[in-house]
Amino acid sequence: DQQVKQNSPSLSVQEGRISILNCDYTNSMFDYFLWYKKYPAEGPTFLISISSIKDKNEDGRFTVFLNKSAKHLSLHIVPSQPGDSAVYFCAASAFGNEKLTFGTGTRLTIIP
Amino acid sequence: GAGVSQSPSNKVTEKGKDVELRCDPISGHTALYWYRQSLGQGLEFLIYFQGNSAPDKSGLPSDRFSAERTGGSVSTLTIQRTQQEDSAVYLCASSVWGTSYEQYFGPGTRLTVT
Repeated sequence: DQQVKQNSPSLSVQEGRISILNCDYTNSMFDYFLWYKKYPAEGPTFLISISSIKDKNEDGRFTVFLNKSAKHLSLHIVPSQPGDSAVYFCAASAFGNEKLTFGTGTRLTIIP
Repeated sequence: GAGVSQSPSNKVTEKGKDVELRCDPISGHTALYWYRQSLGQGLEFLIYFQGNSAPDKSGLPSDRFSAERTGGSVSTLTIQRTQQEDSAVYLCASSVWGTSYEQYFGPGTRLTVT
C-alpha cells in the first residue's frame, strides 16, 4: 500500500528552466510534507517542508505547493542548475507520528 | 559539525549469517530512526527511538530484525539469519526533539546478502 506516490521515476530539464516534481498521497491524516534530495552514495538531505495549514512555502529557488483537496504536492525549482541533478523524495507525516512515509523518488537530470 | 555516521559503509554476508549495523547520531539529537531502501523502492521506515521512551518498532519486517540504542546515543541494527531479500541500503537518521520531521540522514550501509 503506497501511501505516498511519485509517479515519474525520472525527469530531464534544461539548465535555467523550471523543474516541477510531483507527489500524490492517499492518507488524509498526513499533515506535514517534506522534500529530500539525495546524491549517489550519500544519505538524503532535507530540502524544504510544508504544513497542511499552508498551500505554499518558498525558500530561494525552491517552492513547494500543497493542494489538500487533491492530495497533491509539487516542488518547483527555478532556475534549475546542474547541481540540482539528484533523486528527490517526497515524504509525509501525520500529527503526533514521528515516522516519515517516503515516495519512491524522482531522478532529476539537469541538462547543461 | 559532525553529521550522522554509519558503519560499515558496505557489508557483504552469506545467507543465514547475522549482521550488525551501527549508527552514530548527531550529538544532542534525541530522536533516532532506521530506514531501508531496497532497489527501486522508496525509504521504508523500520524503527524509531525517542529519548527514554519505548521504541516504535512497527516497521520491522520480521522478528529477525532488532535494534538497540545505548545511552541515548549510538544505535545498532541487528539482522539475524540474513536472507537475500534483506539486501538493501540501511539508512539511519536523527533529529532534535520537537523538530522530528526534519531528519538528518547518514550515508547508509549497503548490505548485500549472497
